[in-house]
Amino acid sequence: DTAVSQTPKYLVTQMGNDKSIKCEQNLGHDTMYWYKQDSKKFLKIMFSYNNKELIINETVPNRFSPKSPDKAHLNLHINSLELGDSAVYFCASSQESWTSGRNTGELFFGEGSRLTVL
Amino acid sequence: GQNIDQPTEMTATEGAIVQINCTYQTSGFNGLFWYQQHAGEAPTFLSYNVLDGLEEKGRFSSFLSRSKGYSYLLLKELQMKDSASYLCAAEDSNYQLIWGAGTKLIIKP
Repeated sequence: DTAVSQTPKYLVTQMGNDKSIKCEQNLGHDTMYWYKQDSKKFLKIMFSYNNKELIINETVPNRFSPKSPDKAHLNLHINSLELGDSAVYFCASSQESWTSGRNTGELFFGEGSRLTVL
Repeated sequence: GQNIDQPTEMTATEGAIVQINCTYQTSGFNGLFWYQQHAGEAPTFLSYNVLDGLEEKGRFSSFLSRSKGYSYLLLKELQMKDSASYLCAAEDSNYQLIWGAGTKLIIKP
């Protein structure tokens, strides 16, 4: 059984289009994330949700909008795609203890969604 | 600023031992992670160090020195399947992960 699954795995689209990537986790974790990994392989956090509530919102263009309908799902919608948006987008989840402020840490990643903007 | 440094690429021989170093500068520090990422795949968790010292887990060990802002990942008895990128990530005082760019490890027969 796939723990963190995201779709689609590959996405090729034209500049200016709008696209969505979906993510689901069946681990019962409270926290989910979206990361962007560019061609230089840096992983950059974009958003984090804890129990459907936005916790982290890094400096990301507002063309990117996350949505968490429930704690098992975190989708990413991107408007007006640009060439620089081309990257691999990873969804991840973790069981964090926010009440104690302690990150219990281990991230479980989805397989990644490779977005190519032409 | 916050920064993670690790070598871009290393080469080692099957059966040998390799040490991948990582230095970090973060706003506060809570712990350090190592992840393995095979080409075209997702990162997978290897280790998490909070206290100084060496943590051993099979063929892989991870070391941390908080005073030096330094960690290393030690891989023993290298196998071809260990060819991958190894990502170092430091957890700052807000429990945010600061990621390095990864060290691409090439294993030769």
